[in-house]
Amino acid sequence: AQSVTQLDSQVPVFEEAPVELRCNYSSSVSVYLFWYVQYPNQGLQLLLKYLSGSTLVKGINGFEAEFNKSQTSFHLRKPSVHISDTAEYFCAVSTNSGYSTLTFGKGTMLLVSP
Amino acid sequence: NAGVTQTPKFQVLKTGQSMTLQCAQDMNHNSMYWYRQDPGMGLRLIYYSASEGTTDKGEVPNGYNVSRLNKREFSLRLESAAPSQTSVYFCASSELGSYNEQFFGPGTRLTVL
Repeated sequence: AQSVTQLDSQVPVFEEAPVELRCNYSSSVSVYLFWYVQYPNQGLQLLLKYLSGSTLVKGINGFEAEFNKSQTSFHLRKPSVHISDTAEYFCAVSTNSGYSTLTFGKGTMLLVSP
Repeated sequence: NAGVTQTPKFQVLKTGQSMTLQCAQDMNHNSMYWYRQDPGMGLRLIYYSASEGTTDKGEVPNGYNVSRLNKREFSLRLESAAPSQTSVYFCASSELGSYNEQFFGPGTRLTVL
């Protein structure tokens, strides 16, 4: 079975500063990796996903993530955050072994202040 | 194109009462899912339906039942609600295949007193 660890439950940052949200996964087979964002009182929406190929993945709203197989990580980055990026971010993993469901991390709350 | 819709948005139950959460999608997706979200716990899968006519247990199925009514609709039933089932419930859908994006509904906030 696969698992996901998001190391930070909350990340405070000032507007226009860079940010990195950390995600590590565990799986015995090849994985697909996802980052979802949840704005207050809304459902989740996909930011980006890694399926195969280039390890640097670009998503919506200026976010990107890098897949590192040796370190089993998929950290999310943005070079300059806005107030509107305040939200909860979830890393998720599935596998290519049979029918695999998504396993979510516990989430990281990104708090952007002026 | 409404995506994934859920009803109701809010619900308050007393312990022991029953209720059904409704979910529908208009994207012609094969797979549908029910999750619960609790503070500090992320999203945990309750039940899923990989395709019409099949349902399977997820990580936290106890106290719940599901029905895949047709390709569009997937309902979640609480037969005898307990305070531990106070949570936000999300329905999602996707194309068949674990590499596909899941699309989420807006959620149902349930309180069991």
